[in-house]
Amino acid sequence: DAGVIQSPRHEVTEMGQEVTLRCKPISGHDYLFWYRQTMMRGLELLIYFNNNVPIDDSGMPEDRFSAKMPNASFSTLKIQPSEPRDSAVYFCASSDSAGGQGYGYTFGSGTRLTVV
Amino acid sequence: KNEVEQSPQNLTAQEGEFITINCSYSVGISALHWLQQHPGGGIVSLFMLSSGKKKHGRLIATINIQEKHSSLHITASHPRDSAVYICAVGRGAQKLVFGQGTRLTINP
Repeated sequence: DAGVIQSPRHEVTEMGQEVTLRCKPISGHDYLFWYRQTMMRGLELLIYFNNNVPIDDSGMPEDRFSAKMPNASFSTLKIQPSEPRDSAVYFCASSDSAGGQGYGYTFGSGTRLTVV
Repeated sequence: KNEVEQSPQNLTAQEGEFITINCSYSVGISALHWLQQHPGGGIVSLFMLSSGKKKHGRLIATINIQEKHSSLHITASHPRDSAVYICAVGRGAQKLVFGQGTRLTINP
């Protein structure tokens, strides 16, 4: 497996524009997580899914953020409209509830978002 | 107070030194993870612990469930070990709660 795949790696956009981040989890993993990393706040959970169903979205900052998981192999995180304070690195991760070493907890390479 | 506290926040050492990074948590957990992040890089899972001790190469991780404390040790440290080390706690495969990270710099 190629691991958790995120795209794009870098995104620069103007304030007010819509931004869509994409994630392909590891095949067979039943949990998918979206995290955000900033210098000030470190790593924070935004939302996570189990079997494509959103379980906890309490970390989503506000209504400008939305996430979907239409099937087991794809998820999106959308910001509309984007603001400069959304600039951060967004990580997607997946894991396997069946257990085993580390539950297969694997992070993607992240998307570095800059909103100007 | 954060649920996961790491110390120190920053650590600078000379090549070859023995390194210890500590993590304390205040919530019940089923597992604790140690993660590594190089500057501008992705996040790599080093260890997942639910009890005892694990070793991988020059890295050793221990956990004391009763004291809610874990340590990450690096023996014979090398400049390539320079990175941010993050402690994270969770329940099974579910969401993780992260410490603020320890920035480690190993000078040659």
